[in-house]
Amino acid sequence: EVQLVESGGGLVQPGRSLRLSCAASGFTFDDYAMHWVRQAPGKGLEWVSGISWNSGSIGYADSVKGRFTISRDNAKNSLYLQMNSLRAEDTALYYCAKGYSSGYPDTYYFDYWGQGTLVTVSS
Amino acid sequence: QPVLTQPPSSSASPGESARLTCTLPSDINVGSYNIYWYQQKPGSPPRYLLYYYSDSDKGQGSGVPSRFSGSKDASANTGILLISGLQSEDEADYYCMIWPSNAPRFGGGTKLTVL
Repeated sequence: EVQLVESGGGLVQPGRSLRLSCAASGFTFDDYAMHWVRQAPGKGLEWVSGISWNSGSIGYADSVKGRFTISRDNAKNSLYLQMNSLRAEDTALYYCAKGYSSGYPDTYYFDYWGQGTLVTVSS
Repeated sequence: QPVLTQPPSSSASPGESARLTCTLPSDINVGSYNIYWYQQKPGSPPRYLLYYYSDSDKGQGSGVPSRFSGSKDASANTGILLISGLQSEDEADYYCMIWPSNAPRFGGGTKLTVL
């Protein structure tokens, strides 16, 4: 059974940093691209970042480019999102999502999602 | 502002069909893209439903009933999710998605109410 478990969310002041983690199990992690997708309270879905199976291809939404860094550790079956210079508009539930394929941006779709970790940016 | 336009809400009765639309901007041709659909129930993550490119190129998500299907209306530059034989458990938010570039784009979502 595929499982994606996010952690690292919390309340943080504007301008500060936070690192999210996603622990994956139930599939061969290094065969698939991985992504972060967020959802502000009561709002729709917004793709944040994606990374190919071997970290060779990475992408970011314009709204986070230069502030967020995605990475993965295939030996630990883990995905990360380093979030710096956080803003109030980054407040959201952050989902870790498994790509259908190994590549980015040739991921096609997200076939499994975690339950999300909530990030609240507020003073 | 989402690239893809979805009606905020829709409703239908049990047993009826629901037709949810996802309209692309005029500079993006619906005929050139896979349209992906997700379902999200309150308090749960999104669930992948299906994708539709053409009648000969489409795919159903794992465990997704065949009463969920996709199509396109090229004249309206729109992707369509059709849910037939509506059941109470189909009440949810539905999102469409495309990959027009290196960044996937979601629609704003449609809240489907099963009356």
